[in-house]
Amino acid sequence: NAGVTQTPKFQVLKTGQSMTLQCAQDMNHEYMSWYRQDPGMGLRLIHYSVGAGITDQGEVPNGYNVSRSTTEDFPLRLLSAAPSQTSVYFCASSLQGYGYGYTFGSGTRLTVV
Amino acid sequence: AQSVTQLGSHVSVSEGALVLLRCNYSSSVPPYLFWYVQYPNQGLQLLLKYTSAATLVKGINGFEAEFKKSETSFHLTKPSAHMSDAAEYFCAVDDNTDKLIFGTGTRLQVFP
Repeated sequence: NAGVTQTPKFQVLKTGQSMTLQCAQDMNHEYMSWYRQDPGMGLRLIHYSVGAGITDQGEVPNGYNVSRSTTEDFPLRLLSAAPSQTSVYFCASSLQGYGYGYTFGSGTRLTVV
Repeated sequence: AQSVTQLGSHVSVSEGALVLLRCNYSSSVPPYLFWYVQYPNQGLQLLLKYTSAATLVKGINGFEAEFKKSETSFHLTKPSAHMSDAAEYFCAVDDNTDKLIFGTGTRLQVFP
């Protein structure tokens, strides 16, 4: 049981490049979310999903796309990276909402130069 | 809309002293509340959660938190700090909108 797996752990991008951050969970969780963590700002919700085929925007969705074709996977796409997207990204999953709590991955540290 | 306010971005205590980390929430319905801990260069780990079963919630590593509806608070405490408690602590709220919203975090330093 691996929990929530994020790849890569580190990435450096040039401005304008695109990339996909991968997130997979093996706990059969319905809910999955992407957060970014920046100093002094805590964790801010980017996008979330309550099941396969269902996604919605969080607090800071601009510049990011998601899709959820399977229960296990929830990739985050940066279409055209900008320096403002330099951050640590966390994926999290929950069996369902309503107080179950989320299990977090170990994060992806992204630098855009 | 739900929100969380953590008072004090940094808290310093001596080893053996009381730890008190403050969290106030805003929610239009009875919320679920959580405390998470993040050690350096790691992901977040659930410390404890309030789901309306009991107002005083005990978590891992000797931490506990009390839900006070009248004060809209969910402060985290530990009677005696240990050096290993040094980390960043996040309060979070879920009010059944399918989203978990976090506060800005409190960094706890423990001095010998």
